[in-house]
Amino acid sequence: EIVLTQSPATLSLSPGERATLSCRASQSVSSYLAWYQQKPGQAPRLLIYDASNRATGIPARFSGSGSGTDFTLTISSLEPEDFAVYYCQQRSNWPLFTFGQGTRLEIK
Amino acid sequence: EVQLVESGGGLIQPGGSLRLSCAASGFTVSSNYMSWVRQAPGKGLEWVSVIYSGGSTYYADSVKGRFTISRDNSKNTLYLQMNSLRAEDTAVYYCAVISSSWAFDYWGQGTLVTVSS
Repeated sequence: EIVLTQSPATLSLSPGERATLSCRASQSVSSYLAWYQQKPGQAPRLLIYDASNRATGIPARFSGSGSGTDFTLTISSLEPEDFAVYYCQQRSNWPLFTFGQGTRLEIK
Repeated sequence: EVQLVESGGGLIQPGGSLRLSCAASGFTVSSNYMSWVRQAPGKGLEWVSVIYSGGSTYYADSVKGRFTISRDNSKNTLYLQMNSLRAEDTAVYYCAVISSSWAFDYWGQGTLVTVSS
């Protein structure tokens, strides 16, 4: 089983700052990694797929990078609506899927 | 517009059974890969099951042998039959569409299942 470890568990930043979230896989997942945003009481929303491709309608301030075992989600300049929980997800060991445990991005 | 609406959640005693439904509109369930993902209260996301367009099904080890994913093409609806329910199955259950990039593209609003005596 491929384990995804996200860090930090909680990130405290202010609007306008840059956010960098990490996701590390226990073995290579190539570029088969996605990122999701979840706000309280809502379903997750796909942000990034295949490590670096923005999903439809996702603002350009969100970007993804990485391959193999180390991945990063960057939010270039935080907007108030960006404070949420973020999850990474892999599908490398098809047909199984795995999510990371999440990073909570909170307002400082 | 793609829409997914889950239903069927509720309070059920340990050992009981429940069937969740996910009514889809704006696309054809049978032509897509569909999945169930759950989230225990205050916890992260856990993948549960997937059904491919060809009909193949797969499950997480935590539910294998107890849960069954299926679909009704005439109703354009996805199902999750849950048997032998345990307290640890308590969660919000989401249905989701899997894109060609193997990401969960669209999600329903979720339905809460509470397993408790």
